[in-house]
Amino acid sequence: AQKVTQAQTEISVVEKEDVTLDCVYETRDTTYYLFWYKQPPSGELVFLIRRNSFDEQNEISGRYSWNFQKSTSSFNFTITASQVVDSAVYFCALRTGGGADGLTFGKGTHLIIQP
Amino acid sequence: EAGVTQFPSHSVIEKGQTVTLRCDPISGHDNLYWYRRVMGKEIKFLLHFVKESKQDESGMPNNRFLAERTGGTYSTLKVQPAELEDSGVYFCASSHFRSRPQETQYFGPGTRLLVL
Repeated sequence: AQKVTQAQTEISVVEKEDVTLDCVYETRDTTYYLFWYKQPPSGELVFLIRRNSFDEQNEISGRYSWNFQKSTSSFNFTITASQVVDSAVYFCALRTGGGADGLTFGKGTHLIIQP
Repeated sequence: EAGVTQFPSHSVIEKGQTVTLRCDPISGHDNLYWYRRVMGKEIKFLLHFVKESKQDESGMPNNRFLAERTGGTYSTLKVQPAELEDSGVYFCASSHFRSRPQETQYFGPGTRLLVL
């Protein structure tokens, strides 16, 4: 069975602060794929990034960066110099080659950026 | 390019009634997925279509839920009869051809269902 844990239910920071959202996953598969989605107030899930299990390179995209560490089964997401528009619910998700076709989601982290 | 669209955006029905949710995937996407988020819980996978065929329906909660994708374009998810525990947000997602686990799924805005 696979599982994704986002232990932070809600995080509130002041604009321009850096913030890290944690994601810990569990799977017995050696090949798997990790995703982050953003859910703004409009409701849809916006794709942010996909990472393959065999590629541990960290990734940076503007103010966003992702730290993938297989040794700790974590795929954390950092927003640098946060902005009010970053306020949203962020979901981490996992999909493996075996098992069900769908994504396994964490419960999400509600990020509040205060001006 | 239009994204995944879902209709209606909200639905309020009484227990025992029937509700049909519709999803239009991104044009050209063969894969279509349904998910559900019940209040306070994770988003849970329901089923997966490849074109008009059900590839995986392991997440469907019970036989009160019926999903169809006639012609391999849009899909409908019918709940009949609806129960209180069916309340939640129903998401639809689509991905391109080839049912591969690394394919990115693009989500719609969801349908918020409230059963009273």
